[in-house]
Amino acid sequence: SQKIEQNSEALNIQEGKTATLTCNYTNYSPAYLQWYRQDPGRGPVFLLLIRENEKEKRKERLKVTFDTTLKQSLFHITASQPADSATYLCAPPDTGRRALTFGSGTRLQVQP
Amino acid sequence: KAGVTQTPRYLIKTRGQQVTLSCSPISGHRSVSWYQQTPGQGLQFLFEYFSETQRNKGNFPGRFSGRQFSNSRSEMNVSTLELGDSALYLCASSHQLGTSNTGELFFGEGSRLTVL
Repeated sequence: SQKIEQNSEALNIQEGKTATLTCNYTNYSPAYLQWYRQDPGRGPVFLLLIRENEKEKRKERLKVTFDTTLKQSLFHITASQPADSATYLCAPPDTGRRALTFGSGTRLQVQP
Repeated sequence: KAGVTQTPRYLIKTRGQQVTLSCSPISGHRSVSWYQQTPGQGLQFLFEYFSETQRNKGNFPGRFSGRQFSNSRSEMNVSTLELGDSALYLCASSHQLGTSNTGELFFGEGSRLTVL
């Protein structure tokens, strides 16, 4: 069955540095992948979508890559700020494209 | 434009009881999906409703059910509550059915259910 893996350990970085979060998937090839941000006690908020024919997508300080050979998506936040501290979730559709499935998320902590 | 509204935000129930949660989607959105979020399992898809019909369903027991009204508002019900049903229940709305249009989801703040 399909599997989505995100680093369950929190990522701690210094303000101003680039944060890189990883999403690996196995046993299928999603046509696209979405990234969401979730703050404690709140619902996830959509950030970016990248399709299988796109290598890279950017939005302000955010960048997402999609490597269908490695079966991996990388999410980058450049010039990180304490306000970027949150949990980041990757979400490809399930194999039947019926619904989005979510990784367990990686918690990012940006230290001032 | 108002976002997705979920009520109640918090509730406490005891085992064996039932609970009904409500979700009002963004105006104009016809699709409402429900997810359960727990620390151990993460976000798991429960079901999706579109135009008052359940279109997709996740792998949850029949104790979990839902419905959608003509104004797109949705409710989900959990009967015979178990301790393991304690979770954050999230509702999300979108323009399109499921992922037919790479449907970005707009989530509500969730309903935090505690089962004692």
